[in-house]
Amino acid sequence: GAGVSQSPSNKVTEKGKDVELRCDPISGHTALYWYRQSLGQGLEFLIYFQGNSAPDKSGLPSDRFSAERTGGSVSTLTIQRTQQEDSAVYLCASSLVSSGGQYFGPGTRLTVT
Amino acid sequence: GENVEQHPSTLSVQEGDSAVIKCTYSDSASNYFPWYKQELGKRPQLIIDIRSNVGEKKDQRIAVTLNKTAKHFSLHITETQPEDSAVYFCAPAYSGAGSYQLTFGKGTKLSVIP
Repeated sequence: GAGVSQSPSNKVTEKGKDVELRCDPISGHTALYWYRQSLGQGLEFLIYFQGNSAPDKSGLPSDRFSAERTGGSVSTLTIQRTQQEDSAVYLCASSLVSSGGQYFGPGTRLTVT
Repeated sequence: GENVEQHPSTLSVQEGDSAVIKCTYSDSASNYFPWYKQELGKRPQLIIDIRSNVGEKKDQRIAVTLNKTAKHFSLHITETQPEDSAVYFCAPAYSGAGSYQLTFGKGTKLSVIP
């Protein structure tokens, strides 16, 4: 079946602009995660959603970052007033709650100029 | 929070040799231990995982071993091939309320020399 998809694949924006990144998880996966990966670095957890529970926002680096998940499926990560240090690849992953294994999307490469 | 360390950070092996990457973690409540492989410019992919009720799991040329007492688990790759070249991440997790919060290590860059 279809894997996790993300859009856009690449986004170049000017400092100070807002951006929205989209994630479509694997159908039936109730858990959805957002991570950030800077060049040559590991994965930094941002936020996760599980079913109808309140999201865990503990990894969000500032209040400029927010995320929503509508209808328990598609999620949007919004970064307001982008800064150059926000430049990174933003990865989304989904999983079956019962299994644990997370399956990643291809990521969105964000470049803030 | 969970502290995760991987060793070594880089590893070069000759094709056909074995490679071992070790991951240590701090949270004794962790009960899920996956390894991810990330090729250059691609997404991380789950390659093997183990849960705390078993000590070893094998899948063809890869295996994961777990020592919960010492709080470490290792990835073993035998008969390495050039296509094994990638960055490998461990991501121990605790399953609380049914969701697995992964904490990723900084990665180990494996180079397999033909």
